[in-house]
Amino acid sequence: QQQVKQSPQSLIVQKGGISIINCAYENTAFDYFPWYQQFPGKGPALLIAIRPDVSEKKEGRFTISFNKSAKQFSLHIMDSQPGDSATYFCAARSQGGSEKLVFGKGTKLTVNP
Amino acid sequence: NAGVTQTPKFQVLKTGQSMTLQCAQDMNHEYMSWYRQDPGMGLRLIHYSVGAGITDQGEVPNGYNVSRSTTEDFPLRLLSAAPSQTSVYFCATRGTVNSPLHFGNGTRLTVT
Repeated sequence: QQQVKQSPQSLIVQKGGISIINCAYENTAFDYFPWYQQFPGKGPALLIAIRPDVSEKKEGRFTISFNKSAKQFSLHIMDSQPGDSATYFCAARSQGGSEKLVFGKGTKLTVNP
Repeated sequence: NAGVTQTPKFQVLKTGQSMTLQCAQDMNHEYMSWYRQDPGMGLRLIHYSVGAGITDQGEVPNGYNVSRSTTEDFPLRLLSAAPSQTSVYFCATRGTVNSPLHFGNGTRLTVT
């Protein structure tokens, strides 16, 4: 079964707007939640990550919000720019340093100028 | 410093042919892994290795073999390619457990 559910599949926003991508999980053993950004023809690259002992983490225009009780986390991109157009993946890894990082299915973000 | 290097970038195979996708890293990372990326499916783990001589299966290992004889290299072998293995393959490495994954730029494989 899909361990991390990501939505929406695609998202179109105007320059300057806020982009929001959501992820949900079931496995309460997950303790590390990264977001990866992928540009066409390239491999994914880590954007920002959070652990469940905090409810929010901000790095520049990118913020992760984490709701442990609801088992949900989301990526907010403030002041979205055309250069943010990419595919975004949420992911999760379980406690104990499990080697398996499971990914959501991805969200293709398009920011129109 | 090249990071993670994957070769070839593109490959076309006929059903039943075999080939090896190469992955090399120069970061001295113990952990290496292979993912496949398919439209609408995200990234799925095929095999991974936590060090030379140690490999384990991921989520979708069938049809693929791996070995890890050195820290630097982690080849992925397709013994008898099938159209279902048409995909983009990514190699990813990391240092410590809490470090991020570093991905290569992928190999696009088409099996006809």
